[in-house]
Amino acid sequence: AQKVTQAQTEISVVEKEDVTLDCVYETRDTTYYLFWYKQPPSGELVFLIRRNSFDEQNEISGRYSWNFQKSTSSFNFTITASQVVDSAVYFCALSESTGNQFYFGTGTSLTVIP
Amino acid sequence: GAVVSQHPSWVICKSGTSVKIECRSLDFQATTMFWYRQFPKQSLMLMATSNEGSKATYEQGVEKDKFLINHASLTLSTLTVTSAHPEDSSFYICSARDRGLRNNQPQHFGDGTRLSIL
Repeated sequence: AQKVTQAQTEISVVEKEDVTLDCVYETRDTTYYLFWYKQPPSGELVFLIRRNSFDEQNEISGRYSWNFQKSTSSFNFTITASQVVDSAVYFCALSESTGNQFYFGTGTSLTVIP
Repeated sequence: GAVVSQHPSWVICKSGTSVKIECRSLDFQATTMFWYRQFPKQSLMLMATSNEGSKATYEQGVEKDKFLINHASLTLSTLTVTSAHPEDSSFYICSARDRGLRNNQPQHFGDGTRLSIL
């Protein structure tokens, strides 16, 4: 069965610190997608990244970077030089290859203190 | 810009009222849409999969008579919470399946509807 675990429920960091949000997943599928979404207090889901299971290359987008390691079934997300605007709940998600069924983790609430 | 529009964004109503939430794909046809529910400080849980022109598929534990889903066109799915009670208060989010993977996303999410039943 598919499952996504985000062990960190809440994290607080001081502005400009780096922070890593952990995500561990379980699946028996060989083809799947992994995602990160940001949910600010207003509630909408903001898409951050999609990663195909065959692509283990790490990715960097500005202050955001992602580390995908199939060997440990992890897809961790790092924010460098955090800012107050980064405060939100971040969800890691897994979907089957069709992109239909999404399995969301329980989310990590990040608070960046000015 | 938004590719999925969800309306209303919030609603407050009395217990016993039925509430309809609309989910529209704005610039693509979505044969499949999804409805999620999120309780405060919890994750998104899939309620049902809505297929255009056919009956919705409900997840285990979701009452189909309580949460009526209609997907009558390729761009519109509606969720009606019938005879809503305070325990139905939640954040409801829809998404639309995008086979074109625009913006690298297989699903595009609406902005959600905050439902509060008094």
